[in-house]
Amino acid sequence: AQSVTQLDSHVSVSEGTPVLLRCNYSSSYSPSLFWYVQHPNKGLQLLLKYTSAATLVKGINGFEAEFKKSETSFHLTKPSAHMSDAAEYFCVVSRYNQGGKLIFGQGTELSVKP
Amino acid sequence: DTGVSQNPRHKITKRGQNVTFRCDPISEHNRLYWYRQTLGQGPEFLTYFQNEAQLEKSRLLSDRFSAERPKGSFSTLEIQRTEQGDSAMYLCASSLADTAGNYEQYFGPGTRLTVT
Repeated sequence: AQSVTQLDSHVSVSEGTPVLLRCNYSSSYSPSLFWYVQHPNKGLQLLLKYTSAATLVKGINGFEAEFKKSETSFHLTKPSAHMSDAAEYFCVVSRYNQGGKLIFGQGTELSVKP
Repeated sequence: DTGVSQNPRHKITKRGQNVTFRCDPISEHNRLYWYRQTLGQGPEFLTYFQNEAQLEKSRLLSDRFSAERPKGSFSTLEIQRTEQGDSAMYLCASSLADTAGNYEQYFGPGTRLTVT
């Protein structure tokens, strides 16, 4: 069985400071891992994905994540937060040969203070 | 192509009524997924189609729920005899699964169901 645990339900940062959203995964096989973002009243948008290529994955809007198998982690980072980054972020695990269905974490709400 | 669309965007219904939602995927995407998201939670998988075949249904999908994807294009999700616990956002996603293992899912805006 696969699962993800997002370690923080809410993270608050000041604009211009680094962002760290933590995610641990559990999977019996090599997983595919994703981060999605959900802005209020908008659909889910893919930020980045890891599919067994480079362990450091770069995504849109300056976000990146590092796959660490030894720690079963896939934390999301950004060097400098922007006000527009305020949203709900979901860490997601999936397996291609299980139909590609996505298993979402509980979400981390990111607040950005001016 | 403007992405995945869902209709209606909002639906308010009384307990016991039937409701039907529609999802139009991105053209030529062969996979279509339905998820349900309740307040403060991440989306949960309900079911998915490869072309017109429904290949998996979650245990969350009770007998009151049925989904179809005729001709492998749009999909409908019907809930019969709605209950207050069915109140949620219903999300649709589509993907083009290829032999290289790529299957990025694109989500629609969702249908918010409120059962009174």
